[in-house]
Amino acid sequence: GENVEQHPSTLSVQEGDSAVIKCTYSDSASNYFPWYKQELGKRPQLIIDIRSNVGEKKDQRIAVTLNKTAKHFSLHITETQPEDSAVYFCAASIGRMIKAAGNKLTFGGGTRVLVKP
Amino acid sequence: GAVVSQHPSWVICKSGTSVKIECRSLDFQATTMFWYRQFPKQSLMLMATSNEGSKATYEQGVEKDKFLINHASLTLSTLTVTSAHPEDSSFYICSARGENTEAFFGQGTRLTVV
Repeated sequence: GENVEQHPSTLSVQEGDSAVIKCTYSDSASNYFPWYKQELGKRPQLIIDIRSNVGEKKDQRIAVTLNKTAKHFSLHITETQPEDSAVYFCAASIGRMIKAAGNKLTFGGGTRVLVKP
Repeated sequence: GAVVSQHPSWVICKSGTSVKIECRSLDFQATTMFWYRQFPKQSLMLMATSNEGSKATYEQGVEKDKFLINHASLTLSTLTVTSAHPEDSSFYICSARGENTEAFFGQGTRLTVV
């Protein structure tokens, strides 16, 4: 089955600096890669996702890049703020491009991000 | 985004008893629901996948007789932890997907078995 590795496990950055989290996946059939943010005691919230037909996607201070050949994808957060402090999870999903329902997500181990003011 | 409601948010039960956790999609039809277990400071480990009207598919190492999953309708799935023991104490969280939608998570259930 799919295996997703995520690094680093913890990341401490100064407010205003950038944060980068990297994930690798094992199954070349994976075609959907979401990123979730989980604050302490709360549910994971989708912050951005990318599909395998796209190499890069950006949403304000957050961007995700995908390298299908190398089977890795990364999350970039620019101009970090204290409210960005949370645990971030990457995930990969194997399945058909069109009908996504039913395709399970395999999660990385998570990255605990701390933004110091 | 869509809303997934999980109930209860926390429960304490005695060893040997059973606990049922509900996961409801409030404003969309969830053709697939997923149940995860999350230990402190760890990732989400998929336990099983359930499709409405059919038997759940369990991940390797997950006892299907201990973790009973029912997905009777397009808006409700339940996870029953049978004969719970202290080692079953954990954070259980569901997620739901509709056709061509992202996965939305419930708020999770913290189970403590004493």
